[in-house]
Amino acid sequence: GIQVEQSPPDLILQEGANSTLRCNFSDSVNNLQWFHQNPWGQLINLFYIPSGTKQNGRLSATTVATERYSLLYISSSQTTDSGVYFCAVEIQGAQKLVFGQGTRLTINP
Amino acid sequence: NAGVTQTPKFRVLKTGQSMTLLCAQDMNHEYMYWYRQDPGMGLRLIHYSVGEGTTAKGEVPDGYNVSRLKKQNFLLGLESAAPSQTSVYFCASRGPFFSYEQYFGPGTRLTVT
Repeated sequence: GIQVEQSPPDLILQEGANSTLRCNFSDSVNNLQWFHQNPWGQLINLFYIPSGTKQNGRLSATTVATERYSLLYISSSQTTDSGVYFCAVEIQGAQKLVFGQGTRLTINP
Repeated sequence: NAGVTQTPKFRVLKTGQSMTLLCAQDMNHEYMYWYRQDPGMGLRLIHYSVGEGTTAKGEVPDGYNVSRLKKQNFLLGLESAAPSQTSVYFCASRGPFFSYEQYFGPGTRLTVT
């Protein structure tokens, strides 16, 4: 099956710093989503981005489908950005997502 | 519009007991999913459904059963709970065909002693 690898596994930053999270996948996909799991365990949709670039406030994401990777950028980090960020992908016809292991981001005040 | 809801939020079971987790969505979504999340790990798919009356196995289906009798509800059953089923269970739903985004419920924390 498709492999999804996220890096780095852990990232600790000071408030105000910028960060880049990476997601590599092993096959062509027709669906790629980024999720944020907050410290209370809730999973929040960030982006649906099978290709191209999107921005939402301080967060942006880019997927280069031909090279099989996606990047999530967080600028001017705040403590509320802490949590685990998951990338999940779906191959054509599969009707289900495969999740990476996540990147745990800790933003210190 | 409540989105995806899960019942109960917490549960403690003894080994061998049975229980049913309920997932409900009010977005008229065709597809529904049950995942489990273990400490330090990503989400693993247990079972899913692509429409009312249909179910299919995911990555880790053993020890679980599901039913989708109504479009808005997806039930996950544990017939004989084992300590290995201690986990956080998430339900998700999405629309059909080209509506790819999945939306998650708040989760159910299950402990089997």
